Amino acid sequence: DIQMTQSPSSLSASVGDRVTITCRASQSISSYLNWYQQKPGKAPKLLIYAASSLQSGVPSRFSGSGSGTDFTLTISSLQPEDFATYYCQQSYSTLSITFGQGTRLEIK
Amino acid sequence: EVQLVESGGGLVQPGRSLRLSCAASGFTFDDYAMHWVRQAPGKGLEWVSGISWNSGSIGYADSVKGRFTISRDNAKNSLYLQMNSLRAEDTALYYCAKDMSHIAVAGSYGYWGQGTLVTVSS
Repeated sequence: DIQMTQSPSSLSASVGDRVTITCRASQSISSYLNWYQQKPGKAPKLLIYAASSLQSGVPSRFSGSGSGTDFTLTISSLQPEDFATYYCQQSYSTLSITFGQGTRLEIK
Repeated sequence: EVQLVESGGGLVQPGRSLRLSCAASGFTFDDYAMHWVRQAPGKGLEWVSGISWNSGSIGYADSVKGRFTISRDNAKNSLYLQMNSLRAEDTALYYCAKDMSHIAVAGSYGYWGQGTLVTVSS
């Protein structure tokens, strides 16, 4: 199985900050990398697919980059509604999916 | 509007069985792969199983292989997860998720249900 490792596990930041979350795959996954946001008590929401494509309706302050084994999710200017947990997910093996352990983004 | 509504969760004793259902609407169900993803209380997301549009391709996480069976009924716009030999570690909120890609299995999920809670305890 492909292992996904996110860093950091948690992060404190302020409104207006630029934030970067990283995700590393245990083997090359090309650009088959997706990012989700999850708020307490809610289902996850797709933000970025195929490493850098913005899902419809997602604000442009979210962006993704990377290929191979190393990926990043960047929020250019944090808004109050962005405080949540973020997960990366590999879809290189489409019927053997794995998620990262999550990054909890908290208000400083 | 795409809707995914899970049902069938509940409290079950270890070793027993449970069948989850996901009723889909708002899209052409038999054009898309579907998946089950679970989340144990206070933990992260874990992919459980996925099935292609025509049931021709199926996959399972190692943690459930041999115990869980995914299936779908395209005539009823429904996805199922038969869970046998349940263990305490299967306790989780189980989400049904729609694959993004038309016909192919992309493994990315643009739509999720709200989940159904499975608690395995004596």
